[in-house]
Amino acid sequence: QVHLVESGGGVVQPGRSLRLSCAASGFTFGAYALHWVRQSPGKGLEWVAVISYDGKNKFYGDTVKGRFTISRDNSQNSLDLQMNSLGAEDTAVYFCVKDSSLLWFGGHMEVWGKGTTVTVSS
Amino acid sequence: SYVLTQPPSVSVAPGKTASISCGGQKFASKTVHWYQQKPGQAPVLVVYGDSDRPSGIPERFSGSNSGNTATLSVSRVEAGDEADYYCQVWDSRSDHWLFGGGTKLTVL
Repeated sequence: QVHLVESGGGVVQPGRSLRLSCAASGFTFGAYALHWVRQSPGKGLEWVAVISYDGKNKFYGDTVKGRFTISRDNSQNSLDLQMNSLGAEDTAVYFCVKDSSLLWFGGHMEVWGKGTTVTVSS
Repeated sequence: SYVLTQPPSVSVAPGKTASISCGGQKFASKTVHWYQQKPGQAPVLVVYGDSDRPSGIPERFSGSNSGNTATLSVSRVEAGDEADYYCQVWDSRSDHWLFGGGTKLTVL
């Protein structure tokens, strides 16, 4: 059974950095793209970033491009999101999500983690 | 940029059929996926590839995509179907993944 477990959330001051992680199990990790999706309190879902199965291709949402960096370690079955220059608008639950496409991306978001909460506040 | 438009809310009586729309330009050229999210929980995929259901999702959930509108239909609605529903597409031109604003389904 596929499991995605996020960690690293917490309270951080504006302008500071935070690194989220996602531990994966139950599937061939290095064969699938992975996403980060976030949800601000009371708001809808917002796609944040995606990384291809081999880590060579990365794409970002417009609101985080240049501040956030997605990375993966296929030897450790782990996904990270480095978040810099955080602002109040980054306050959200961050979900780690497995893409359905084998050796590509652009499929559906097949499995979601439970999320980790990031609060940006002074 | 590409935008997906959903009605903020839909209400339906138990046992009836709920239809949730998702509009976008040139939708027929895109593949639409639907997610259900209950309060305090992570989203769950309920329809993918316009009209396919993942294993474990009841046949009551179905999807269609025609012209500029995709539709999620929930037949024989139950109280447990009350949730937020989001449509999603991949815009291959920009390599952006997009969500609609979400629709709150209320069972009367």
